[in-house]
Amino acid sequence: RKEVEQDPGPFNVPEGATVAFNCTYSNSASQSFFWYRQDCRKEPKLLMSVYSSGNEDGRFTAQLNRASQYISLLIRDSKLSDSATYLCVVNSGDQGGKLIFGQGTELSVKP
Amino acid sequence: DAGITQSPRHKVTETGTPVTLRCHQTENHRYMYWYRQDPGHGLRLIHYSYGVKDTDKGEVSDGYSVSRSKTEDFLLTLESATSSQTSVYFCAISKGETQYFGPGTRLLVL
Repeated sequence: RKEVEQDPGPFNVPEGATVAFNCTYSNSASQSFFWYRQDCRKEPKLLMSVYSSGNEDGRFTAQLNRASQYISLLIRDSKLSDSATYLCVVNSGDQGGKLIFGQGTELSVKP
Repeated sequence: DAGITQSPRHKVTETGTPVTLRCHQTENHRYMYWYRQDPGHGLRLIHYSYGVKDTDKGEVSDGYSVSRSKTEDFLLTLESATSSQTSVYFCAISKGETQYFGPGTRLLVL
C-alpha cells in the first residue's frame, strides 16, 4: 500500500465547475500536510498548506481529517489555468524534514 | 523563487558511464534533497543532506551517492548509469516545514 494515495484521474471539467480531490495517508505520525501543484514538465510548487481547522485561499479550500487520515482539496470556479497535476504531500513524521508525495491527480479544465 | 538552480538541465548518457548532477542554492538553507520522478511513482527521495558533509539515504538510494562540501551545493552522482535511472531529477531545499524545488534535470540513459 502506498503511503499517500490519490486518484490519478484525469479529471476533465468545464470552466467554472467545482472539482474536489481526495487523498489518504497511512502514517499516523505525519503532522504537516500540503497540496502542491505541478505543471507539465515543470517542478512542483507549493499550492497551500493544510491545517486541521481547514483553510481557504481564494478559490481553493483544503480540509484535513486526522481521524480518517484524509485530506481534500476543493477548487471552485475552475479556470483554464488550473489545469495541472495536484500532489498531496505529508511529512514523514521523523527527522530530516522529509516529505512523502502522492503520485498526483491530473486536472484538465476545458473551455 | 527559492534561488535553486540545477545543472545540467538535460543530459543523455550511455549505460555504464558516471554522471554528476549539481544543485545550487543561494539562500544558505541547511536541508537539501534529491528526488526522482517517474510515471506511476510520483516523487521519491534519493538522498538528503542536513548540513555540510552530513547526508543520509532516502527511499531509493541504491546506485546513487551524494556529496555536500559547501552549504550551497549538493551533488548527486550516478557511479555507473543504468537505463533504470532514466528519470527527471529534482533538487529541493527546506524552508520550515515546506520544500521548494529546482527546475529539474531530465536524464536519459541509453
